[in-house]
Amino acid sequence: KQEVTQIPAALSVPEGENLVLNCSFTDSAIYNLQWFRQDPGKGLTSLLLIQSSQREQTSGRLNASLDKSSGRSTLYIAASQPGDSATYLCAVKDYGQNFVFGPGTRLSVLP
Amino acid sequence: GAVVSQHPSRVICKSGTSVKIECRSLDFQATTMFWYRQFPKQSLMLMATSNEGSKATYEQGVEKDKFLINHASLTLSTLTVTSAHPEDSSFYICSARSGSGRGNEQFFGPGTRLTVL
Repeated sequence: KQEVTQIPAALSVPEGENLVLNCSFTDSAIYNLQWFRQDPGKGLTSLLLIQSSQREQTSGRLNASLDKSSGRSTLYIAASQPGDSATYLCAVKDYGQNFVFGPGTRLSVLP
Repeated sequence: GAVVSQHPSRVICKSGTSVKIECRSLDFQATTMFWYRQFPKQSLMLMATSNEGSKATYEQGVEKDKFLINHASLTLSTLTVTSAHPEDSSFYICSARSGSGRGNEQFFGPGTRLTVL
């Protein structure tokens, strides 16, 4: 059974810092991996989707990498801003087309 | 990206009553819809998957008689929490996908906060 973990559980940084969020999964047989953002009491906003054949994806200040063989993905946020404060969820999609979500990393960017 | 809406966004009900939550795909036809539950500070857990016109497939541990799912059209799925109890209080999020291929992206609704008194 696929399990997804995320480290750290919470992170607080001053504005302007670069930071890395980590995601690990136990079964490397994934179809794709997706990073989401969730604001308090809100739904999910898709940030980046990496197909299993890809190594990374970039969107603006965000860069996500995928190492399927080691079961790891990282989300890199450059020059963090207070508006980046949210919970970041990593989710892997298996070949059964189901998402398995990690517990999330709660990020606070202090002005 | 495509838009998925949920209604209501927030509901408070008394223990023992039933609550219906609607999930709509606004600009695409959703062949498959998913219902997730999220407890405070925890991640999303899949409750059930429904395909239009078919019975929903429930995840292990989810009572199908308590959480009734109807996916009667390609743009609407409903989740009814029957005889709600305080332990059913949670954040419910639906998701919709067009087509059946693995490559079809899944879009998430904004969620419904259910509080059972």
